[in-house]
Amino acid sequence: NAGVTQTPKFQVLKTGQSMTLQCAQDMNHNSMYWYRQDPGMGLRLIYYSASEGTTDKGEVPNGYNVSRLNKREFSLRLESAAPSQTSVYFCASSDIRGIFHTQYFGPGTRLTVL
Amino acid sequence: DAKTTQPNSMESNEEEPVHLPCNHSTISGTDYIHWYRQLPSQGPEYVIHGLTSNVNNRMASLAIAEDRKSSTLILHRATLRDAAVYYCILRDPLNYGGSQGNLIFGKGTKLSVKP
Repeated sequence: NAGVTQTPKFQVLKTGQSMTLQCAQDMNHNSMYWYRQDPGMGLRLIYYSASEGTTDKGEVPNGYNVSRLNKREFSLRLESAAPSQTSVYFCASSDIRGIFHTQYFGPGTRLTVL
Repeated sequence: DAKTTQPNSMESNEEEPVHLPCNHSTISGTDYIHWYRQLPSQGPEYVIHGLTSNVNNRMASLAIAEDRKSSTLILHRATLRDAAVYYCILRDPLNYGGSQGNLIFGKGTKLSVKP
């Protein structure tokens, strides 16, 4: 099992450019999440998908859109990147059937917006 | 949401025990105490969780105060690979659905391990 995979690992954008961060999990989990982590800070939730076909805003959703493509894949889109979106982005998944909903995280995408 | 308080940083020597404290004075009766850690340049990973009783697993032990207002993550023999940021997070199983069930990360404790 690969667990949670994210592509790309690194990305540099210019202000105003758009891009999509990809995330996939092979653990048959129902729930998936996107977080961002700024230097020296903890993770903050951007969007989550409790199950296939549903998405909801987290703490910091402005400037982002998401798509739950199927049970395995959950993508995060920046329509018009801004320097304030320079961060490390983590995708995670969890199984709502498990009582404690342990979240499993991907390796992250390091995004710089110039 | 109940909050947790952790020291910003701690140091340990390799092969010595490490006790990472967490205060959660406003914990509710249904909150579980979860610990995650984040190794350098990686995503967080689950370490351990507990409710009232002390818990052990292959990674660590969790000691919970009798009044549940504090807890301690114990690494019995620190290795260089244990250098990471450790997050103490409260979670209520009744709120796992929807946004209330999501992990809320503070700044955690950065553990440095000296050879």
